Amino acid sequence: DAGITQSPRHKVTETGTPVTLRCHQTENHRYMYWYRQDPGHGLRLIHYSYGVKDTDKGEVSDGYSVSRSKTEDFLLTLESATSSQTSVYFCAISEVMNTEAFFGQGTRLTVV
Amino acid sequence: AQSVTQPDIHITVSEGASLELRCNYSYGATPYLFWYVQSPGQGLQLLLKYFSGDTLVQGIKGFEAEFKRSQSSFNLRKPSVHWSDAAEYFCAGGVNYGGSQGNLIFGKGTKLSVKP
Repeated sequence: DAGITQSPRHKVTETGTPVTLRCHQTENHRYMYWYRQDPGHGLRLIHYSYGVKDTDKGEVSDGYSVSRSKTEDFLLTLESATSSQTSVYFCAISEVMNTEAFFGQGTRLTVV
Repeated sequence: AQSVTQPDIHITVSEGASLELRCNYSYGATPYLFWYVQSPGQGLQLLLKYFSGDTLVQGIKGFEAEFKRSQSSFNLRKPSVHWSDAAEYFCAGGVNYGGSQGNLIFGKGTKLSVKP
């Protein structure tokens, strides 16, 4: 299995609070992605990174920001969490853009 | 617009029966295509991939998929389903434009249930 660790695995937070999710990889892959998974919507891309300090928006980026200061770490921040951001968040990595991606175990976030 | 469609939300098959999960894509060029499987509470695991060449690709766990350009399809098949195959299956596609553009697009998934 690809070395991808997401933390935390579960989190409950209150509306309006900031939340940061972490993705750590040991594969030295260039590309990293954050997806959210919701019933009936499949996986939707939030943000992705194509190198250190190089990031771009995905399909559902509103309300989210990301940072990548090191190759191995990709952080997803919800500046002010809302109930609509309750979801399961997956980090993924790939060596080449749009080729096979390898996924972490996911973080289940509940905003109450 | 680029899209990946899985027409079946939920399929139930009997253990030992054959399986085919449908996937259709809409891209301007031939995309890279993938099938992933997700067990409850787990991340997604890559089953197989198609980049070019032979249109019948073999994957892990006895799965195969066939790329049909004329039908814009990439259906997943297994000759004999096991109870452990019960999971959700996702088809995904991507086009390599080079540089940093583009991303994988996922279908909404097909949940597979297996009857004893």
